[in-house]
Amino acid sequence: KNQVEQSPQSLIILEGKNCTLQCNYTVSPFSNLRWYKQDTGRGPVSLTIMTFSENTKSNGRYTATLDADTKQSSLHITASQLSDSASYICVVSLQTGANNLFFGTGTRLTVIP
Amino acid sequence: DAGITQSPRHKVTETGTPVTLRCHQTENHRYMYWYRQDPGHGLRLIHYSYGVKDTDKGEVSDGYSVSRSKTEDFLLTLESATSSQTSVYFCAISESVSGGNTIYFGEGSWLTVV
Repeated sequence: KNQVEQSPQSLIILEGKNCTLQCNYTVSPFSNLRWYKQDTGRGPVSLTIMTFSENTKSNGRYTATLDADTKQSSLHITASQLSDSASYICVVSLQTGANNLFFGTGTRLTVIP
Repeated sequence: DAGITQSPRHKVTETGTPVTLRCHQTENHRYMYWYRQDPGHGLRLIHYSYGVKDTDKGEVSDGYSVSRSKTEDFLLTLESATSSQTSVYFCAISESVSGGNTIYFGEGSWLTVV
């Protein structure tokens, strides 16, 4: 069964600290993996997209890694800011089809001053 | 930000009444999607469209219908709303379904069925 699991469900960190969010998936055949940021009351916004051949992708203070062999991805946030408080959603795509996205339930990150 | 407008943004309706949510895009993307988001679940696909008048069902399509008469508009209709359809609904668009293609989401429509 194609599934995407994220951990932890929620996380509280102090402003300025780093954190890492995890995503494990069983989706096959794999095409790509996306990380989205969703602010409260808003729609998800794309942070990174990685294909099978990519091990890492950065977007400012956000760095995503992918291990296609173990089917794991992580999102590392450096020097967190209050504005990083949001849900982070991992999305994995099959190789074909429009109905091919599998969403994790997200990690709720709270950054406190 | 991608040009996606959802309307209404918030709606409260009574059980048994019809409801239509509208998604309008200015990006001329071929693919449009309707998702619902509920606590404890990832975003779940309701219906999607791959062109004018071309639509298909997603994972949770029961109780929903869609129409796409123009490239820019994708309507989601709840023929007879039920309390289980209380949710946040997101429209999304994409140029294609190939790898590496970005999917853009609207700001959401909050629907409460009482």
